Amino acid sequence: EDQVTQSPEALRLQEGESSSLNCSYTVSGLRGLFWYRQDPGKGPEFLFTLYSAGEEKEKERLKATLTKKESFLHITAPKPEDSATYLCAVQTISGTYKYIFGTGTRLKVLA
Amino acid sequence: ETGVTQTPRHLVMGMTNKKSLKCEQHLGHNAMYWYKQSAKKPLELMFVYSLEERVENNSVPSRFSPECPNSSHLFLHLHTLQPEDSALYLCASSRTGGGFTEAFFGQGTRLTVV
Repeated sequence: EDQVTQSPEALRLQEGESSSLNCSYTVSGLRGLFWYRQDPGKGPEFLFTLYSAGEEKEKERLKATLTKKESFLHITAPKPEDSATYLCAVQTISGTYKYIFGTGTRLKVLA
Repeated sequence: ETGVTQTPRHLVMGMTNKKSLKCEQHLGHNAMYWYKQSAKKPLELMFVYSLEERVENNSVPSRFSPECPNSSHLFLHLHTLQPEDSALYLCASSRTGGGFTEAFFGQGTRLTVV
């Protein structure tokens, strides 16, 4: 069964304290892996798409990487405005319309 | 204009009411989705429309009825809901075919069933 697991469930960081969020996946064939940011009461905001192992994408303080079993979202020198829930999702080769989501990591960055 | 717009943002309805959620996308996408998001659960796919035809229906109770009149608009008609249907309902759209597969979401409708 296709599955996505995110860890940790919650993370508290001091401002400037870099860390990484993990998304491990088990799928029959990966079409793409997606990272989203979600603020409370709002819809997920698209961040990155990764297609193949070894690929990396960067945006401001965020960097996403992909291996054959997992993806990491690295947050460098985070600021309080980076506080949000970060969601990981995968799309399989056989599921054009199916995005399988993890339960997310709730990140809190303290000033 | 934002890419995917949902209305209303908040909705409180009684169990005997009938209401509709609306979604509009301005991204030129050809697939649209309804997701349900409950606390501490992954997003649950409810319905998918591609080129205005329903292609996925994930065992959703009949009290939820989707409608897709064209590739830019999607509705979710609600009737005789239960309190456990209270959740954040999210609309999304994507392009199928070509190299871009990411889905873009609206801001959601927070539904409370009383």
